[in-house]
Amino acid sequence: SQTIHQWPATLVQPVGSPLSLECTVEGTSNPNLYWYRQAAGRGLQLLFYSVGIGQISSEVPQNLSASRPQDRQFILSSKKLLLSDSGFYLCAWTDPRTGRHLEAFFGQGTRLTVV
Amino acid sequence: GNSVTQMEGPVTLSEEAFLTINCTYTATGYPSLFWYVQYPGEGLQLLLKATKADDKGSNKGFEATYRKETTSFHLEKGSVQVSDSAVYFCALRNQAGTALIFGKGTTLSVSS
Repeated sequence: SQTIHQWPATLVQPVGSPLSLECTVEGTSNPNLYWYRQAAGRGLQLLFYSVGIGQISSEVPQNLSASRPQDRQFILSSKKLLLSDSGFYLCAWTDPRTGRHLEAFFGQGTRLTVV
Repeated sequence: GNSVTQMEGPVTLSEEAFLTINCTYTATGYPSLFWYVQYPGEGLQLLLKATKADDKGSNKGFEATYRKETTSFHLEKGSVQVSDSAVYFCALRNQAGTALIFGKGTTLSVSS
């Protein structure tokens, strides 16, 4: 069966420090991968999605970047964190071979607090 | 483009009350529609889904019907419980299967 792992679960970082959040998927190949951010009162915002290794689409220009160095690995990064980067970050995957029908599967999320 | 609009919360209900959370969408072609639930401190879990017009998704007493004529997918439950307290997200997946777009979420609080 497929599983998705996301870590760390919580993170407290000072302003100006770098960030690296990692997400890996097991039990499938060539997944579509997504990074979302959930900020208080702002719902779920799509940040990046990827349909293959090295292929990243950015939905919102901001202080973050994403990379996909391996088929089932998706990394969210920042060189210098801002206070506004605080939030709950969720990684998700979908199976492109099933077309539009199947749901996305989510990791447990990372609570990032920038202080 | 694709978008999802759901009613603003929070929604506060007493146990056994009837629940409706409205959701409308904008999309080209024939998207699939989903409701997700997020319990405190956790990721999102699929609650129900519908993949074509007039389909009804149902799970745990919740229901939603895919209405193409009104571009809606409203979530309903006849009798809510305290354990239903959570944030509910309406979402669509585009026909190509790449974009997965969420509404802003509706917080439901049920008291006994």
